[in-house]
Amino acid sequence: GESVGLHLPTLSVQEGDNSIINCAYSNSASDYFIWYKQESGKGPQFIIDIRSNMDKRQGQRVTVLLNKTVKHLSLQIAATQPGDSAVYFCAETYTGRRALTFGSGTRLQVQP
Amino acid sequence: DTAVSQTPKYLVTQMGNDKSIKCEQNLGHDTMYWYKQDSKKFLKIMFSYNNKELIINETVPNRFSPKSPDKAHLNLHINSLELGDSAVYFCASSQKQGQPQHFGDGTRLSIL
Repeated sequence: GESVGLHLPTLSVQEGDNSIINCAYSNSASDYFIWYKQESGKGPQFIIDIRSNMDKRQGQRVTVLLNKTVKHLSLQIAATQPGDSAVYFCAETYTGRRALTFGSGTRLQVQP
Repeated sequence: DTAVSQTPKYLVTQMGNDKSIKCEQNLGHDTMYWYKQDSKKFLKIMFSYNNKELIINETVPNRFSPKSPDKAHLNLHINSLELGDSAVYFCASSQKQGQPQHFGDGTRLSIL
């Protein structure tokens, strides 16, 4: 998702549902991608990463999908829980560059 | 055990003052970073150091001067603070390029 105006795009889901958060990137040279979760008052926390030689990677309750053709990344969270409520960022980088370029973030709200 | 720790957590000061933020990581990582997060939650790289050497300086004003006394510490000194410097500043570290960065919990800088 992309920011509109002053507000982060927000995804609101019911507890127990699956969530899908999307991210578009622009640099075709990017070869390493990370999803971060940021809770209020905290720093970004690593969730899962994927390299460009893969198109899918699974973790515990999370799956990242990478479509290099359309430069799109998604994070799927299974059985979303209230503790998953946070702002989620995708980040990208490429070989030789040590810094990350962050996407604009998506706020996930989980309704009990 | 805090992996990446920043001090202070909050910093409120007057325009024109000089202030410093400190960062320490106990992960044994070679690379450290400073990021700035604005009011729209957008995260942007400012500096990156690898083994005490500056490797990235992303068009940050000269008023910002990072200093790395050893590879476990990266401090940020800011001269002549301006209203636009109000933001949350995050320190991060990583072992090497292509591996996840670990973030501190941020320093919220407010300029009066």
